[in-house]
Order: sequence, then C-alpha cells, then structure tokens
Amino acid sequence: NAGVTQTPKFRVLKTGQSMTLLCAQDMNHEYMYWYRQDPGMGLRLIHYSVGEGTTAKGEVPDGYNVSRLKKQNFLLGLESAAPSQTSVYFCASSTGTDYPQHFGDGTRLSIL
Amino acid sequence: AQRVTQPEKLLSVFKGAPVELKCNYSYSGSPELFWYVQYSRQRLQLLLRHISRESIKGFTADLNKGETSFHLKKPFAQEEDSAMYYCALKAQGGSEKLVFGKGTKLTVNP
Repeated sequence: NAGVTQTPKFRVLKTGQSMTLLCAQDMNHEYMYWYRQDPGMGLRLIHYSVGEGTTAKGEVPDGYNVSRLKKQNFLLGLESAAPSQTSVYFCASSTGTDYPQHFGDGTRLSIL
Repeated sequence: AQRVTQPEKLLSVFKGAPVELKCNYSYSGSPELFWYVQYSRQRLQLLLRHISRESIKGFTADLNKGETSFHLKKPFAQEEDSAMYYCALKAQGGSEKLVFGKGTKLTVNP
C-alpha cells in the first residue's frame, strides 16, 4: 500500500497563479485533512473532509478551496497564490475520529 | 478553545542522557492526546497516544489532568531520536480535528 500520496512534491509559483494539490489515499479512509506547516507555527488545519462530497473549514481556510469528489482523493486549490502561502502542505487521512491520522510526504510550495 | 503548548522550540541532549519534551494543553473537556514525530526527510507519523499506554521506541508519555500536561520522556536518548516532535490534542466526543503544538526539535548529540 502506498498510504497517502501527495502530488506534486515541489512547486514554484508566481503571485496570482493558481494550482491544485492532489492527495490520494488507498486505505479507504473516510476522513481527510489538509495542513500547512510553517517554521515556528507547527501544523495548522486548512480544510478537512469527513466523507465523499463533504468539506469543512479548519483553522486557516482563507485563500484555499477544497473538493472531495471521490473518497480516495482530496484536492486543495489555490485560486490566486500569494507569497504568504509559501509553506509545506501535508495531507492526512484516517478511518475515523478514534483513529490516528496517516500523513503524506508533503508538498513544498514556494510563491514568488 | 483547545490549545497545545510546547514551550521548547529546540532541545539538545547528549546520547544516553534522559530527555523530556514538554506538552501542556488547554481544554475544558476530556482530551485525547498524541505525540507525532517527523524524522529528517520522512513523513509525520504517530509515535504514541495516551489511551494506548504504550512505550514506543523507549518513549512514554503520561497524561496528567491536574497539570494539563502530556510530557514525552525517554530515559536514555539515542542519536536516531533526533527529529521534530509534535504534541496534538483531539477533543473527545467525535471531534474530527487534531490541534497541534508548534513542535520541538530534538537533537541528540554523540
């Protein structure tokens, strides 16, 4: 099993460009999450999903949109990238609220 | 509001020395607490959770509700323990979300 796979691993964008980060999990998990990791800030939840077709806002949702059209995929979109969104983005999934989250390798995103 | 505080950004010890990574939380209900670890160039992974009462890689953590703490301890640190450690809290009662602390970078020197 691959577990949680994130693509791409690295990306450099210019301010104002848009892009989508893909998270795929092969564990049949219901719950999926997007975090950003910044120095000195730890991991902060952007958006999450408790099942196919559902999404909810986390701690820092502004500037991001998400979609969960298929159970195995959770997409994170940046419509108009800003330098403040330079970060490492982690996707995670879990079976349910009583189970630990499994993380992907992360996507390093730089916005110039 | 739920909050997790890891007061030390950096912690450096020598191999064989005891190590304690501090974690304090703020939550009015009954929390579930976790320690996650991120080794260099690896993904974040669960180290242990308080309900399991396990010892993983020699690490233990006890939930102290009176002091609202969940410190991670190991009696004899190893160089391979060098990593970023995150304490995380989940509210009981079906909450879907984890709240993470800002992390402590542990360096174990030879």
